[in-house]
Amino acid sequence: DIQMTQSPSSLSASVGDRVTITCRASQSMSSYLNWYQQKPGKAPKLLIYAASSLQSGAPSRFSGSGSGTDFTLTISSLQREDIATYFCQQTYSAPRDTFGQGTKLEIK
Amino acid sequence: QVTLKESGPALVKPTQTLTLTCTVSGFSLSTSGVRVTWIRQPPGKALEWLARIDWDDDKFYNTSLKTRLTISKDTSKNQVVLIMTNMDPVDTATYYCARTTNLGDLSLYDYWGQGTLVTVSS
Repeated sequence: DIQMTQSPSSLSASVGDRVTITCRASQSMSSYLNWYQQKPGKAPKLLIYAASSLQSGAPSRFSGSGSGTDFTLTISSLQREDIATYFCQQTYSAPRDTFGQGTKLEIK
Repeated sequence: QVTLKESGPALVKPTQTLTLTCTVSGFSLSTSGVRVTWIRQPPGKALEWLARIDWDDDKFYNTSLKTRLTISKDTSKNQVVLIMTNMDPVDTATYYCARTTNLGDLSLYDYWGQGTLVTVSS
């Protein structure tokens, strides 16, 4: 199985900050990487697919980059409603996808 | 409007069998390209892929849980059913079903159910 390692596991930032979350795969997987946002008590919501494509309806302050083994999710200007846990997901080994352990984002 | 909704028992005893149902609307389980996946999340932990069923009845299972899982669908009822045998307290989790869409070789979960919390305890 492809292992996905996210960092940091938790993050505290101020409104307006630029926030970066990284995800590293245990093997190269081209751009088969999605990002999800999960707010407390809610189901995950697709944010970014194919490493850098913004899902319809997702705010433009979210962006993704990377390929191979290293990927990044960036929030250009943190808003209070962005408080959530963020997960990366690899689909290179689909259908048996695997997820990162999550990054919990909090507001300072 | 695409929706998915999970249903099943909130509490099961160790060694019992869990049956979860995912009722979908806004799309048909028999339409070419339609796939539904079950995913679970233990409290405070990461998501874990469990099983997937495709429109043509192809089925795929988590390698580690394969002997305990059965996925099926009833197209006439718009339902996908997941059965997990020999439940253990470590199986305590919120169980989600999600519609799985493929863009070429890339798969993504574009619609999710609200999830159902299953606690395994005697």
